[in-house]
Amino acid sequence: DTEVTQTPKHLVMGMTNKKSLKCEQHMGHRAMYWYKQKAKKPPELMFVYSYEKLSINESVPSRFSPECPNSSLLNLHLHALQPEDSALYLCASSQDGQLNTEAFFGQGTRLTVV
Amino acid sequence: GEDVEQSLFLSVREGDSSVINCTYTDSSSTYLYWYKQEPGAGLQLLTYIFSNMDMKQDQRLTVLLNKKDKHLSLRIADTQTGDSAIYFCAENLGYSTLTFGKGTMLLVSP
Repeated sequence: DTEVTQTPKHLVMGMTNKKSLKCEQHMGHRAMYWYKQKAKKPPELMFVYSYEKLSINESVPSRFSPECPNSSLLNLHLHALQPEDSALYLCASSQDGQLNTEAFFGQGTRLTVV
Repeated sequence: GEDVEQSLFLSVREGDSSVINCTYTDSSSTYLYWYKQEPGAGLQLLTYIFSNMDMKQDQRLTVLLNKKDKHLSLRIADTQTGDSAIYFCAENLGYSTLTFGKGTMLLVSP
């Protein structure tokens, strides 16, 4: 099983809403990532969790709040987003944070902020 | 340069070979990756190559690595219409960081 599962696939939210994106993997990977991808652009790293601890925050605004409840799950809590936050949010995982092996991506959550 | 560079567009006919090129930034990158992204979908890992290798072959895919020139290429043999997608090369710049190129859109016509 080399699958990273993200839910929901699509999300439309208002600027005052609170929502969460979820990501799950059962490959025993100990590093998990959130990326943001705008249309026609490459993915940009947001957060890295390694062994359930936040190891990298790429200066992401506090309206995005990551959480790693256990080694298989990664959440991204959203609050007071702006329309420019609309994008494809991709979760990825790898065996460890050294990226010495493959990094697998999920299918993404297409987020629209209205 | 500071960016991972890729040509933006490639058009081929079905059955031809496709070659997608990438120039990466850091000669100390340990792993280099090729990802495929179909419209509206996530990134599918196609293959990766370790920096001490010159070539890696996996079915229709051949990856060539020229470390001296920091040049990476992906050759797709017998290209099919289902190969139409955006292809990203990515390098591991160190701890936990994957840096992507801007992506090459491959269009395969019948």
